[in-house]
Amino acid sequence: KQEVTQIPAALSVPEGENLVLNCSFTDSAIYNLQWFRQDPGKGLTSLLLIQSSQREQTSGRLNASLDKSSGRSTLYIAASQPGDSATYLCAASTGSEKLVFGKGTKLTVNP
Amino acid sequence: DAEITQSPRHKITETGRQVTLACHQTWNHNNMFWYRQDLGHGLRLIHYSYGVQDTNKGEVSDGYSVSRSNTEDLPLTLESAASSQTSVYFCASSYTRDRGLNEQFFGPGTRLTVL
Repeated sequence: KQEVTQIPAALSVPEGENLVLNCSFTDSAIYNLQWFRQDPGKGLTSLLLIQSSQREQTSGRLNASLDKSSGRSTLYIAASQPGDSATYLCAASTGSEKLVFGKGTKLTVNP
Repeated sequence: DAEITQSPRHKITETGRQVTLACHQTWNHNNMFWYRQDLGHGLRLIHYSYGVQDTNKGEVSDGYSVSRSNTEDLPLTLESAASSQTSVYFCASSYTRDRGLNEQFFGPGTRLTVL
C-alpha cells in the first residue's frame, strides 16, 4: 500500500528565502507525482505534475524534482513571497487513476 | 473555461438525515473522485468513477454512495448523516490518456456540518 509523507508539517521562513519542501513515498511504482497548493478554505490548485520518466518540472519560481529510486520528490520555491503562504500537498499516482496524498506542509512566508 | 463546481458550498444538517452533495464538471473528463479532508488525516478517497455507470469504493466509503448517470455529474449521498461525517468534501476529475499525464483538477469544496 502506497504511503506518502511530507515533512515538516509546518515551515516558517522570511521573505526572499529559497526553500525546499519534501515528499516521500513508499512504493516507487508510481506513474506521476503531483504538487498542489491549498489556500485556507479553498480547493486544491495543481502546481506541477512530474511523470515517472521525468526528473524535474519547472513553472516560474517553482521547480519539482522526482527520484523514484529513493522514493522522494522535492518542491523548490525560489525567492519566496508572502503570497506563497499556503499548504502544499504532494500526491502519488499509482496507475489506477487514483492519487495517494501526503498530509501537507503549511508554509508561512513572513514579510 | 472548463471548470468543476460543487454545491452547496456550506451545509448544516442533523444526524440521521439524507444529504446529497453535487459535483459538476465541464472538462469532459471520464474520471471523477470524491475526497474528504479532515485535520490529522489529510485527503482520503471516498468513491470514484471511471465513466458513466461505473462506481468504485475508496478507503472510507462506509455511509456514502455515488451514482454516475452522465459524464458531467457525480453526486455524493450520505444515506444517514452521522457526526463523524462532519468534514470538508472535495470533488475532482481527470482524463485517462497516458497514465503519466492524468492530472487531477479539484472543485472548491463543500463544508458539511452534522449536528
